[in-house]
Amino acid sequence: AQTVTQSQPEMSVQEAETVTLSCTYDTSENNYYLFWYKQPPSRQMILVIRQEAYKQQNATENRFSVNFQKAAKSFSLKISDSQLGDTAMYFCAPSGGGADGLTFGKGTHLIIQP
Amino acid sequence: NAGVTQTPKFQVLKTGQSMTLQCAQDMNHEYMSWYRQDPGMGLRLIHYSVGAGITDQGEVPNGYNVSRSTTEDFPLRLLSAAPSQTSVYFCASRERGGLRNTQYFGPGTRLTVL
Repeated sequence: AQTVTQSQPEMSVQEAETVTLSCTYDTSENNYYLFWYKQPPSRQMILVIRQEAYKQQNATENRFSVNFQKAAKSFSLKISDSQLGDTAMYFCAPSGGGADGLTFGKGTHLIIQP
Repeated sequence: NAGVTQTPKFQVLKTGQSMTLQCAQDMNHEYMSWYRQDPGMGLRLIHYSVGAGITDQGEVPNGYNVSRSTTEDFPLRLLSAAPSQTSVYFCASRERGGLRNTQYFGPGTRLTVL
């Protein structure tokens, strides 16, 4: 079984600032994947970025990047040049690779202030 | 491709009523899952399926039934609705061994049980 901890229930930053959302997890899997999903007020779950645990290189997607520390089981999300449209709930979710889906943290509510 | 579709978008039930939440995907994905999202929580897995005719329980299966007669469809049945089942329900699908285990989510169904 996997557990996920997102220690920041809510964060607020100014537009154009950089913000980092933290996530720690526990898993007994050797091969797994890690995801950050965004959920705006529309409630649609949108994939932000993904990371394979066997890769040492941190994933990046435009303004989004991760700091993956496998030994520490830490998977933080950095958003650079934040935009108003980044306002949303952000969920960290590891996956063991099996069919039994993702394990989600409780989420961080990110508010980008104009 | 429509991706993952869910109907209805909203539903209000009375305690004891039954209903079926519909989920369909047109991506020929083998794996499908149902999650529920309660306030202040991440998504929790209810049931999942690895292919037509094969289903299994997730973290919170009580009060829900599923079946998978085709690859495309994965309905979720509430046999006797209870107020504790008031939640937002998400259906998701992914390829078996697909691109880094990425799950694709439907838009969700908001269910209220009075």
